[in-house]
Amino acid sequence: NAGVMQNPRHLVRRRGQEARLRCSPMKGHSHVYWYRQLPEEGLKFMVYLQKENIIDESGMPKERFSAEFPKEGPSILRIQQVVRGDSAAYFCASSPTGTSGTGELFFGEGSRLTVL
Amino acid sequence: AQSVTQPDIHITVSEGASLELRCNYSYGATPYLFWYVQSPGQGLQLLLKYFSGDTLVQGIKGFEAEFKRSQSSFNLRKPSVHWSDAAEYFCAVTGNYQLIWGAGTKLIIKP
Repeated sequence: NAGVMQNPRHLVRRRGQEARLRCSPMKGHSHVYWYRQLPEEGLKFMVYLQKENIIDESGMPKERFSAEFPKEGPSILRIQQVVRGDSAAYFCASSPTGTSGTGELFFGEGSRLTVL
Repeated sequence: AQSVTQPDIHITVSEGASLELRCNYSYGATPYLFWYVQSPGQGLQLLLKYFSGDTLVQGIKGFEAEFKRSQSSFNLRKPSVHWSDAAEYFCAVTGNYQLIWGAGTKLIIKP
């Protein structure tokens, strides 16, 4: 049973370009979470999605960032017009249920974005 | 405000020595508490979690943690560290899906 798969593992973009990060949850998991980890900092919650629904995007920057989790295919975190401050590791996690936070989150290995 | 504090950014211990990583939290209700480990270049792996019941929780890789409500702490311990334990350790708290994370403690193992 494959774990949470994220790709690309490393992505380099120039300022102003777009970055697309993909996350395939574990089989049977319908809840996906995105976190951002800046250097020397802990993870910061960005967005929580279920299939075709954004449940909570309170951690997402208001501009340039968007996320989706379509009925078919992986969840995608999209960053438009990237800036140097977007350089970070972006982690995706999934869980079979999303209620109460009582379930374990299974994490992918992260996508490391570097903006030149 | 809800928060998690890991006061030690780095900790260095000798291989075979005991380890304690500190975690203090501020949370309005009964918290669910987690410790995750992140090896270099890897994702996060759950070490252990506390929801209720026995306040001493056993996890994987020989780790344990003790929940002390009076001190708002959930410190991680291991009696004898191995070189493979070198990693970054994160404490997290939640009452819902939105985990609140500490900034992490980087564990360095001296041979």
